[in-house]
Amino acid sequence: DQQVKQNSPSLSVQEGRISILNCDYTNSMFDYFLWYKKYPAEGPTFLISISSIKDKNEDGRFTVFLNKSAKHLSLHIVPSQPGDSAVYFCAASVGGFNKFYFGSGTKLNVKP
Amino acid sequence: KAGVTQTPRYLIKTRGQQVTLSCSPISGHRSVSWYQQTPGQGLQFLFEYFSETQRNKGNFPGRFSGRQFSNSRSEMNVSTLELGDSALYLCASSVAPTNEKLFFGSGTQLSVL
Repeated sequence: DQQVKQNSPSLSVQEGRISILNCDYTNSMFDYFLWYKKYPAEGPTFLISISSIKDKNEDGRFTVFLNKSAKHLSLHIVPSQPGDSAVYFCAASVGGFNKFYFGSGTKLNVKP
Repeated sequence: KAGVTQTPRYLIKTRGQQVTLSCSPISGHRSVSWYQQTPGQGLQFLFEYFSETQRNKGNFPGRFSGRQFSNSRSEMNVSTLELGDSALYLCASSVAPTNEKLFFGSGTQLSVL
């Protein structure tokens, strides 16, 4: 049973515009969320995280929004750059444990 | 600071064989987790070790096992390989086992023929 879902397998955005990647989850016990970026032939790299006590967290061009009532998470990248082209995974965990449930990923293509 | 190192990078085995994958975490990191990634799927949690003890285990059959050594290095073993075990196996380390961002290695690509 997929507890974390990324329903858009791919997203294409023009350079300089906003990229919005979405993630839905079913387990209301999830209390810690992360986004990772993955380039081909490399392991995922950490982007940004958010705890369930917050509804927004920013780090430079990256902002993560959490809507607990909707069980929805989104990552905003502004402005998008060609180097942002990669697969993005959201992940969630419960109770402070490092057992993370990952979505299936969204492939972002930023066109120059 | 060296990153997470996984060896080997690629591996080809046949059904029924067993395989051992190795992971060296970032220096000072004591928690090591293993994930399986198959095409079109997200990462599936296998297990996590901290201070040589398995703290969490995912929903995988007993053919999948692991261990952690006193220097935090970890190995995972898959016995009686099946075609469906073909996947990218990723190791991740973190300083502590709670609410920590994970640092991933580049993975071991296992192909079972």
